[in-house]
Amino acid sequence: NAGVTQTPKFQVLKTGQSMTLQCAQDMNHEYMSWYRQDPGMGLRLIHYSVGAGITDQGEVPNGYNVSRSTTEDFPLRLLSAAPSQTSVYFCASSDRGLSNQPQHFGDGTRLSIL
Amino acid sequence: DQQVKQNSPSLSVQEGRISILNCDYTNSMFDYFLWYKKYPAEGPTFLISISSIKDKNEDGRFTVFLNKSAKHLSLHIVPSQPGDSAVYFCAAIDQGGSEKLVFGKGTKLTVNP
Repeated sequence: NAGVTQTPKFQVLKTGQSMTLQCAQDMNHEYMSWYRQDPGMGLRLIHYSVGAGITDQGEVPNGYNVSRSTTEDFPLRLLSAAPSQTSVYFCASSDRGLSNQPQHFGDGTRLSIL
Repeated sequence: DQQVKQNSPSLSVQEGRISILNCDYTNSMFDYFLWYKKYPAEGPTFLISISSIKDKNEDGRFTVFLNKSAKHLSLHIVPSQPGDSAVYFCAAIDQGGSEKLVFGKGTKLTVNP
């Protein structure tokens, strides 16, 4: 029962460094998404994918890249880390049709940019 | 512009009493609403949902009410238990539009023994 697995759980970066946050799900879900959670801001959608090879921007996509080469994996790349990207990042997945299939979330990656 | 609003950052209730968490939305195209619960250091977990064709949905101790004319929904927890202490997020989606779930900022519920 792995569900949605995010790695790493914690990461500290210096400004300007790049890194990839990993997300994998074993439920054969078509829909995957990345959110960031900041204090007092709730969850904001960064990027999402409705299937392998298809990605689209969410509410706050700047500074992030995604790709979806397989159904299982949906990595999030920070191209040049900035202190404003200090946040907790959540990956989620579901079957298509969010109304019938609520999203399953990973436990998050806590990222600090110095 | 915030499309889903949870205006109470926190709520404190006594064990056994009712907890009422409120949520307002501005986008009239939203037609499906969900509540998620989040404990510290964990991801959100789905709690209950409601379609815009209904005005009430129950699941055990949890009931969600929807007032479309007021663009308002509420989550009732009866009776409240200490294990219900968590952050509750309201979320909404336009099923006929983009597949994007829009979240509120959350309400932290504390249930005191």
